[in-house]
Amino acid sequence: EPEVTQTPSHQVTQMGQEVILRCVPISNHLYFYWYRQILGQKVEFLVSFYNNEISEKSEIFDDQFSVERPDGSNFTLKIRSTKLEDSAMYFCASSDRTGSNQPQHFGDGTRLSIL
Amino acid sequence: DAKTTQPNSMESNEEEPVHLPCNHSTISGTDYIHWYRQLPSQGPEYVIHGLTSNVNNRMASLAIAEDRKSSTLILHRATLRDAAVYYCILRDVMDSSYKLIFGSGTRLLVRP
Repeated sequence: EPEVTQTPSHQVTQMGQEVILRCVPISNHLYFYWYRQILGQKVEFLVSFYNNEISEKSEIFDDQFSVERPDGSNFTLKIRSTKLEDSAMYFCASSDRTGSNQPQHFGDGTRLSIL
Repeated sequence: DAKTTQPNSMESNEEEPVHLPCNHSTISGTDYIHWYRQLPSQGPEYVIHGLTSNVNNRMASLAIAEDRKSSTLILHRATLRDAAVYYCILRDVMDSSYKLIFGSGTRLLVRP
């Protein structure tokens, strides 16, 4: 069964440094998402992306965050200047269509640790 | 999205059926009921969804009350691998938002 893959599985970064989290969505999917989960807390929506532009973003997704689909397969999340509170699991998801009856398929996440 | 209420935790014995409840008393006529689960150290995983009728797939069954104010996710024979946090999420078909809003879910413990 096709799956969403994320790399790296664990990223350790110094505070203030830039970090790029990478995702390969399922190949025929058109809608892409990033979520995060701080340890012990709920899964939170960050951003959705379709047709090479952001469709929706949450309050968490401030100017320090950006997303990009640099080629036909990768979908990246960049944090420009990391803060301690950015430490979390970051999950990428994709779906082949949007709409409330369409499931989203998630990767296993990247654990981001900011020192 | 309308609010859902789930028990914080439930326990089950392996190979027995599990019924995970979800209350959504303020559900609207255009809300789909979705279930996801999150196994330890993994991302959320889609389980099943429905609108009005009961639904079955290879993973589980979804029983929806006639008034749609509650639903139950049924795992017919729990395995140790089913130990996870289960999330009941409503998604309005009229809503232009694409995001999933996760609550705290129900943590299912499966005893061998």
